[in-house]
Amino acid sequence: EAQVTQNPRYLITVTGKKLTVTCSQNMNHEYMSWYRQDPGLGLRQIYYSMNVEVTDKGDVPEGYKVSRKEKRNFPLILESPSPNQTSLYFCASKQGKTEAFFGQGTRLTVV
Amino acid sequence: AQKVTQAQTEISVVEKEDVTLDCVYETRDTTYYLFWYKQPPSGELVFLIRRNSFDEQNEISGRYSWNFQKSTSSFNFTITASQVVDSAVYFCALSGARDSNYQLIWGAGTKLIIKP
Repeated sequence: EAQVTQNPRYLITVTGKKLTVTCSQNMNHEYMSWYRQDPGLGLRQIYYSMNVEVTDKGDVPEGYKVSRKEKRNFPLILESPSPNQTSLYFCASKQGKTEAFFGQGTRLTVV
Repeated sequence: AQKVTQAQTEISVVEKEDVTLDCVYETRDTTYYLFWYKQPPSGELVFLIRRNSFDEQNEISGRYSWNFQKSTSSFNFTITASQVVDSAVYFCALSGARDSNYQLIWGAGTKLIIKP
């Protein structure tokens, strides 16, 4: 089954404690991206990757890092989380003109 | 610049009413793609439809229909005989073919509440 898998689904952490949200896709898609969703703001892109070892900033990259060492994985790293990074995060993959496939979402709370 | 506007922040109707969600887009691309996604209360994003800019035929899928009009840069979504299970946030998105990334530009979403 084609899918994008994110982990964890829910996470509560404290300010400054490094965390990683994992994302894996099994469709051999070249393009992967991370979004955050906040009330009234829709989906905003954090980072995206065109292929292995190729990443670029989206609209709201501050405070986040990503890596793309393998085609299937695209982890999102928060080196020093802050409360304003409390949000719902989605990983997505797509190939060219197709629709984006989304993970189930990660609800992050930073206290 | 590309932009998607969903002017309706929230819509509330009674079950069995028809409801239309508006989507207006801006792009300079001649080839582009439009999408609708549904986000139910459980939170996942569900793909509903993709439409390319050269296909202006209306699409119908059961109770769902989409009206694409290039002249007004709109891609509206209608639910006929709405049901409580249709309650969700609906997002419209645009992807430009000129950009090899085919990145998605999202509207802010419309929250649809169907009351029994």
